[in-house]
Amino acid sequence: EIVLTQSPATLSLSPGERATLSCRASQSVSSYLAWYQHRPGQAPRLLIYDASNRATGIPARFSGSGSGTDFTLTISSLEPEDFAVYYCQQRSNWPPTFGPGTKVDIK
Amino acid sequence: QVQLVESGGGLVKPGGSLRLSCAASGFTFSDYYMSWIRQAPGKGLEWVSYISSSSSYTNYADSVKGRFTISRDNARNSLYLQMNSLRAEDTAVYYCVRRKLGSGSYYISWGQGTLVTVSS
Repeated sequence: EIVLTQSPATLSLSPGERATLSCRASQSVSSYLAWYQHRPGQAPRLLIYDASNRATGIPARFSGSGSGTDFTLTISSLEPEDFAVYYCQQRSNWPPTFGPGTKVDIK
Repeated sequence: QVQLVESGGGLVKPGGSLRLSCAASGFTFSDYYMSWIRQAPGKGLEWVSYISSSSSYTNYADSVKGRFTISRDNARNSLYLQMNSLRAEDTAVYYCVRRKLGSGSYYISWGQGTLVTVSS
């Protein structure tokens, strides 16, 4: 099973700042990596799939990059609704696995 | 608009059973693979099971294999998870999830979740 690690565990930023979240895989997942946003009390939402493709309706301030074992989710300018937990997920190897999450909170 | 509404969660004793249901609307349910994903308190997300669009294929996480059964009723736009021999470590919020078409195991729509608590 592929293990995903995310860093940092918590990111404290102000609205308008840039957020950079990392996800590292225990072995190569090629580009088969997704990012999800999970706000408290809401359903998780797919943001990015195949490392860099935005899902339908996702604002352009969200971008993903990387391949192999190292991936990055960037939020170019944080909006109030972006403060949430972000998870990465791989589908390269069975079973699909998720990282432990990065919490982006308000500084 | 896509809606996935889970029900059936609750408190159950170790060794007991529970059946979760998910009512789907806003899309052609019979076209999509569906999954259950869970999140234990304070923990990350864990994929539990999937079922193909016509129920031909199912698969389970090792942690639930032999105890959980996924099923669906396309006529009723409903997904189910029968959970038997429940353990404390099955305590979690269970999400009904729609898989993205044509892209493998990416999860495009999620319900709000239903809480299952296994405790004596």
